Amino acid sequence: GAVVSQHPSRVICKSGTSVKIECRSLDFQATTMFWYRQFPKQSLMLMATSNEGSKATYEQGVEKDKFLINHASLTLSTLTVTSAHPEDSSFYICGGQGGYNEQFFGPGTRLTVL
Amino acid sequence: EDQVTQSPEALRLQEGESSSLNCSYTVSGLRGLFWYRQDPGKGPEFLFTLYSAGEEKEKERLKATLTKKESFLHITAPKPEDSATYLCAVGLDTGTASKLTFGTGTRLQVTL
Repeated sequence: GAVVSQHPSRVICKSGTSVKIECRSLDFQATTMFWYRQFPKQSLMLMATSNEGSKATYEQGVEKDKFLINHASLTLSTLTVTSAHPEDSSFYICGGQGGYNEQFFGPGTRLTVL
Repeated sequence: EDQVTQSPEALRLQEGESSSLNCSYTVSGLRGLFWYRQDPGKGPEFLFTLYSAGEEKEKERLKATLTKKESFLHITAPKPEDSATYLCAVGLDTGTASKLTFGTGTRLQVTL
């Protein structure tokens, strides 16, 4: 399968700070990238979909001004959590989709906001 | 409303004890039924994609099947390393990409 990396794998920050998470497709071009969050013992919930060079499409209930997504190239997407608060603590996972139907996922980023 | 339901929520098997996991769905515009494996603290690992009723795919001890309303993931003679959460997801046609809606998963534990 195709490989997707995420960085950092774990981040702890203070309330009110911003955190950027990078997602890279290493061996394919991801024309579309997806960002999910996952709470303990729950499934993945889609936050937003982004196409390279276009604005992201956010799911209902997801604040676009809080979760900034940039998909500047076919191999890189970033998620910035602005003014993070403890309730934003979660496991964030990106998925990349190229010229096929399958999504391939990164290893995830554990965000803890103190 | 599109829905994906997985059962059982948790399953404990002894090594070598075969079983099946269920994924039932009600969606419109299905663009594939996907199975993933997720280990604790990691992202989902792709297993299978099924597109049409009657389709079957196999990989080692796993076999996935699809009907018009549900999919099964059969695990034959499981080993402890098969312990993980198995997620199914349906792909919904958004025109340019396939948006996934996930079920809540089945947590499988295989013991010696």
